[in-house]
Amino acid sequence: DVKVTQSSRYLVKRTGEKVFLECVQDMDHENMFWYRQDPGLGLRLIYFSYDVKMKEKGDIPEGYSVSREKKERFSLILESASTNQTSMYLCASSLSLGGFYGYTFGSGTRLTVV
Amino acid sequence: DAKTTQPTSMDCAEGRAANLPCNHSTISGNEYVYWYRQIHSQGPQYIIHGLKNNETNEMASLIITEDRKSSTLILPHATLRDTAVYYCIVSPRTGSARQLTFGSGTQLTVLP
Repeated sequence: DVKVTQSSRYLVKRTGEKVFLECVQDMDHENMFWYRQDPGLGLRLIYFSYDVKMKEKGDIPEGYSVSREKKERFSLILESASTNQTSMYLCASSLSLGGFYGYTFGSGTRLTVV
Repeated sequence: DAKTTQPTSMDCAEGRAANLPCNHSTISGNEYVYWYRQIHSQGPQYIIHGLKNNETNEMASLIITEDRKSSTLILPHATLRDTAVYYCIVSPRTGSARQLTFGSGTQLTVLP
């Protein structure tokens, strides 16, 4: 069964900490994505990557960065965590950027910044 | 990008067909209709997609009207495990990641 695995289901971090969220996929997909999900706001795209070492900003990249050193791994970095970054973070991968072949999502990481 | 309109919530009796509607009256000719669902505390799961013909897979059927302005996702025999938020999305085949926009979806509750 194909999988997207996010390293943590729940995280609690302090304001100002540098936070790393890890995502690994085993489908050999070129494209990977990071979203955050908040009540009433749906899923919002933070960053995506269409190849190793390639990345593009999504709709809400401020306060975040990403790293894609290997095809299967896409990391989201919160440079200095703030309380407004408390959210559910979802990683996804796909054969195509536009999701024509469907996106496969991980189970999510619920991050709380205190 | 085309926008979609879905009811906020629906109930369905277990074992019955669940019919989830979606309006996408401004859909463009090159845009596909996608359906995903999200079970509580999990990531969204791809269900099905189509352009203009009806589609069926092991999870569901997708009925798209002839004018493509609306569609219906059908779960033929709903189970309790089908309780989830269902998202209807339109996006072109060669679109960018920004064009796959998840709205608020429909909360489907399957009742025993």
